[in-house]
Amino acid sequence: DAKTTQPTSMDCAEGRAANLPCNHSTISGNEYVYWYRQIHSQGPQYIIHGLKNNETNEMASLIITEDRKSSTLILPHATLRDTAVYYCIVVRDDKIIFGKGTRLHILP
Amino acid sequence: EPEVTQTPSHQVTQMGQEVILRCVPISNHLYFYWYRQILGQKVEFLVSFYNNEISEKSEIFDDQFSVERPDGSNFTLKIRSTKLEDSAMYFCASSEYRYLVDQPQHFGDGTRLSIL
Repeated sequence: DAKTTQPTSMDCAEGRAANLPCNHSTISGNEYVYWYRQIHSQGPQYIIHGLKNNETNEMASLIITEDRKSSTLILPHATLRDTAVYYCIVVRDDKIIFGKGTRLHILP
Repeated sequence: EPEVTQTPSHQVTQMGQEVILRCVPISNHLYFYWYRQILGQKVEFLVSFYNNEISEKSEIFDDQFSVERPDGSNFTLKIRSTKLEDSAMYFCASSEYRYLVDQPQHFGDGTRLSIL
């Protein structure tokens, strides 16, 4: 699986948009970008995924660059409940290889 | 929204004892997984399971581990002779189709296993 690089931690003010970057420069054409998050003491929670087009659902938006070497997860109006570790994962087969992710702190 | 449920939420076991962790995947899902997370470390893949067979397993999943789908709803992880280093959170996940490429896995909230 292609490796991903994410910042170790980020802060975002409550009510603002949280933009979480991810680099995946070795991604190949058939690999999807997935985002999961893990709130303290809970299991990983699926957020969104995409191949090359930008995607939006009720939780977030995913912006993938045209060359697919990086992506950004956007939480449009962050709340305190969005404080979690966010994982950007590039997947080809059926097992998820988790990295260390980005620890996102939402500040009141 | 359907969810993956795991029981118990916390299991305390003496070293050397057998332990069985239970999971009820989402009802129409056909692919099942176990992951573990040692405190403060990354979530690690253990095993995937489909059609009553192991599809893939990691090097962590040695002969002390086994998985089973004993009936139409439960999916279990058994550790035969537990060691101190088996202490971790164990997460079950399921997906409707095998390849994650366009199909998310849904996780339960885990069982915290403590080996004394």
